Amino acid sequence: GESVGLHLPTLSVQEGDNSIINCAYSNSASDYFIWYKQESGKGPQFIIDIRSNMDKRQGQRVTVLLNKTVKHLSLQIAATQPGDSAVYFCAYHGSSNTGKLIFGQGTTLQVKP
Amino acid sequence: DAGVTQSPTHLIKTRGQQVTLRCSPKSGHDTVSWYQQALGQGPQFIFQYYEEEERQRGNFPDRFSGHQFPNYSSELNVNALLLGDSALYLCASSRAGDLTNEKLFFGSGTQLSVL
Repeated sequence: GESVGLHLPTLSVQEGDNSIINCAYSNSASDYFIWYKQESGKGPQFIIDIRSNMDKRQGQRVTVLLNKTVKHLSLQIAATQPGDSAVYFCAYHGSSNTGKLIFGQGTTLQVKP
Repeated sequence: DAGVTQSPTHLIKTRGQQVTLRCSPKSGHDTVSWYQQALGQGPQFIFQYYEEEERQRGNFPDRFSGHQFPNYSSELNVNALLLGDSALYLCASSRAGDLTNEKLFFGSGTQLSVL
């Protein structure tokens, strides 16, 4: 079946360091991937997306890398700040344009001051 | 510009009861999706509404139903509540013109507790 998985449930980093959150997916037909950030008591917030015809995309302090060969997605956060502490989800839309977004379980990012 | 708003924020029900959750989409959005998020899990797709019709449905029983109104707002109804229905219910909106309905904008959710 379809699934999106995350390699580590919790990631703890020092403030100022770079963070890397990983995600594996199973559906090779996936054509669109998204990273969301969810803070306590809030809904998921869009961070960055990438289409399957790209292998890298950069935003403000964030970079998403896509390796379709091994079906792996990563989110890199530069100079991690305390405000980055949250749960991060990768998600994808399948190629059928169903509108259904499939989420992974999430990685908790803890930033130590 | 108001984002996605949901009400109520918290709700406590008992087994067997029925519940209605409400959602107003972000301004300019016409498509509403509902997700269930159990504690410590990622959101699970329930269904999506567009033009007042259910367009896509996830793997949820018929106890879960919805409605979309002409102003694009939406309701999620759950009948015969079970303890396992306790979760955060998220509403997300988007524009139908987006090919794959990407960039969903989520509300803060309704926390439902079934006792």
